[in-house]
Amino acid sequence: QQQVKQSPQSLIVQKGGISIINCAYENTAFDYFPWYQQFPGKGPALLIAIRPDVSEKKEGRFTISFNKSAKQFSLHIMDSQPGDSATYFCAASMAPSGNQFYFGTGTSLTVIP
Amino acid sequence: DAGVTQSPTHLIKTRGQHVTLRCSPISGHKSVSWYQQVLGQGPQFIFQYYEKEERGRGNFPDRFSARQFPNYSSELNVNALLLGDSALYLCASSPLGTNTEAFFGQGTRLTVV
Repeated sequence: QQQVKQSPQSLIVQKGGISIINCAYENTAFDYFPWYQQFPGKGPALLIAIRPDVSEKKEGRFTISFNKSAKQFSLHIMDSQPGDSATYFCAASMAPSGNQFYFGTGTSLTVIP
Repeated sequence: DAGVTQSPTHLIKTRGQHVTLRCSPISGHKSVSWYQQVLGQGPQFIFQYYEKEERGRGNFPDRFSARQFPNYSSELNVNALLLGDSALYLCASSPLGTNTEAFFGQGTRLTVV
């Protein structure tokens, strides 16, 4: 059973546009939600993360929006650039289970110049 | 500062053989986790070690084992390799043992033939 559901599977955005990737979870015990960016042949790189006591967190062009009641969170990439073309993964973890992350299935983002 | 380092970067093994993968965490980090990433999917949790003790184990067979050394480096061992073990094996380093940011290495690409 997929603990974290991610959509869309792929996304094509024009340069300068906004990329939006969505994730949903069921387990209300999750309390840490990171987003990772992965380029082909590389390990995932931590982009930004949020805890459920805030509804939004922004770092540069990347923003996480968090809706605790809906059990959903999303990544917004503003002013998308061709260099942002990569696969993005959402993830979730909960304190009692150590640092075990449950990952979404990934979104392949392509930014067209 | 050195990030998470994994060795080797690529490996080809024959079905039935044994393999050992190695990981050195970020200096000062005491937690190491191992993940398996099959092509086109998100990483799947295998093990977490914190302060040399196992903190978590994912849904993987007993052919998979790991350990953490006094310098916090770690090894992942896989016995009796199957074709289905072919994947990117990722090591993640964290400063704490629970519910905190994790930084991934570049991974070891294992191919079983």
